[in-house]
Amino acid sequence: TQLLEQSPQFLSIQEGENLTVYCNSSSVFSSLQWYRQEPGEGPVLLVTVVTGGEVKKLKRLTFQFGDARKDSSLHITAAQPGDTGLYLCAGAESGYSTLTFGKGTMLLVSP
Amino acid sequence: KAGVTQTPRYLIKTRGQQVTLSCSPISGHRSVSWYQQTPGQGLQFLFEYFSETQRNKGNFPGRFSGRQFSNSRSEMNVSTLELGDSALYLCASSPGQGRGTQYFGPGTRLLVL
Repeated sequence: TQLLEQSPQFLSIQEGENLTVYCNSSSVFSSLQWYRQEPGEGPVLLVTVVTGGEVKKLKRLTFQFGDARKDSSLHITAAQPGDTGLYLCAGAESGYSTLTFGKGTMLLVSP
Repeated sequence: KAGVTQTPRYLIKTRGQQVTLSCSPISGHRSVSWYQQTPGQGLQFLFEYFSETQRNKGNFPGRFSGRQFSNSRSEMNVSTLELGDSALYLCASSPGQGRGTQYFGPGTRLLVL
């Protein structure tokens, strides 16, 4: 069974601070996705990374896929209260749509 | 395009009852996956359907079942409900089997009393 470990589990910061969330596994994934989920809603896809070493930027969010495709990180610059939510990473096995999810990082950004 | 829709959004049942949840995927998407989300276990994969066939199944008891119709709409059924089945049940659709990019619905919140 492939497992994804996310850290930290909880993060409470002030508006304007930077932060990094990590997603680690001992297994190799063909692709890795990051989602954000708000209370009472389903996860919303932020980005998909497929190539080892790949870096993608989405406004103030920077996503990186490890060279060995076993780990990933999400960096947020100058966090805003609207960034508050549960951030989930999910890895896909090659050739399948099945996703293995990490347990998530709950981010709270206070004004 | 309309997103993934799930009905009902909220449901309260008692132990021993059964429940059926419905999911309509994004138009043109043929793959539907179901997940259970709880605070302790996070998101856990239940099963995936593609072209009316179950392609993958997670590690859940046989009380959990599903099906997919010719229009790609999917239902999941839980029989003999237990307290531990209380969870957010999420449906996700994707164009087809592939590298796993999935789009989630808002979920059905099930409470078992």
